[in-house]
Amino acid sequence: EVQLLESGGGLVQPGGSLRLSCAASGFTFSSYDMNWVRQAPGKGLEWVSTFSRSDSSTYYSDSVQGRFTISRDKSKNMLYLQMNNLRVEDTAKYYCAKGGSVWYYFDQWGQGTLVTVSS
Amino acid sequence: EIVLTQSPGTLSLSPGERATLFCRASQTVSTSYLAWYQQKPGQAPRLLIYAASSRATGIPDRFSGSGSGTDFTLTISRLEPEDFAVYYCQQYGRSLWTFGQGTKVEIK
Repeated sequence: EVQLLESGGGLVQPGGSLRLSCAASGFTFSSYDMNWVRQAPGKGLEWVSTFSRSDSSTYYSDSVQGRFTISRDKSKNMLYLQMNNLRVEDTAKYYCAKGGSVWYYFDQWGQGTLVTVSS
Repeated sequence: EIVLTQSPGTLSLSPGERATLFCRASQTVSTSYLAWYQQKPGQAPRLLIYAASSRATGIPDRFSGSGSGTDFTLTISRLEPEDFAVYYCQQYGRSLWTFGQGTKVEIK
C-alpha cells in the first residue's frame, strides 16, 4: 500500500523559511515523479513543484520559482520542499503527491501539512 | 501557461441523477495529459480519470471522462450519496501542471 506522510508545517513569519518532508513507502520511490501541490484555505488546488524520476530535473510554478527548492533522498525514500522568503500568500495545506506510471498526473496523495505565514 | 476553466461552478443535483462537468482549456491539451480528481471536505484529492478517459484503479464505472483538444467532460452517470464533492480537472504541458478552479456537486 502506498503511503505518503508529510511533516514540517507550522506557523512562520513573512520572510521566514520552512522545510517540508514527505516520507514515502509502498512503492519504488526512484521510479516515479514526485510532486508538491498546495491548497490555500477554502481555495482550489495549485501545483507547486515536481522532481522528475527520469533525469532528476526539477520544475516549479511561477509563484514559487526562485524561493522554493524541491529535493529527494532516494536512500531514505524522502521528498523535501525547502521554502524560503515565505509570503502570506504561501499559506496553504501542502500535499505530497506521487506521479503516475506513464502520464503526468498525481495518483496518490498524502494527507497534507499546513503552512501558515503570518506576523 | 494553459488555463483550465471549469463549469458550472456549482451543480445542484439529486442522488440518482446524471452529472456532467466541463473543463475548457485556453490551448490544446493532449488527451494523454488531462486528468480529473475528486475532493471531499477535509480529505486529500483522489485521482478519478487520467489520459482524459481512463479510470484510475478502484474507480466505479459510473465515472467516465471524454473530450479532446480544448474541451473535456467528466460524467457521473447516476449520483451516489458519496459522490457529492468538489471535482478538479488538471493538465500537463511544457513542464507546467495546472488545475481548474473546481466544480462543486451538491445535493439539491
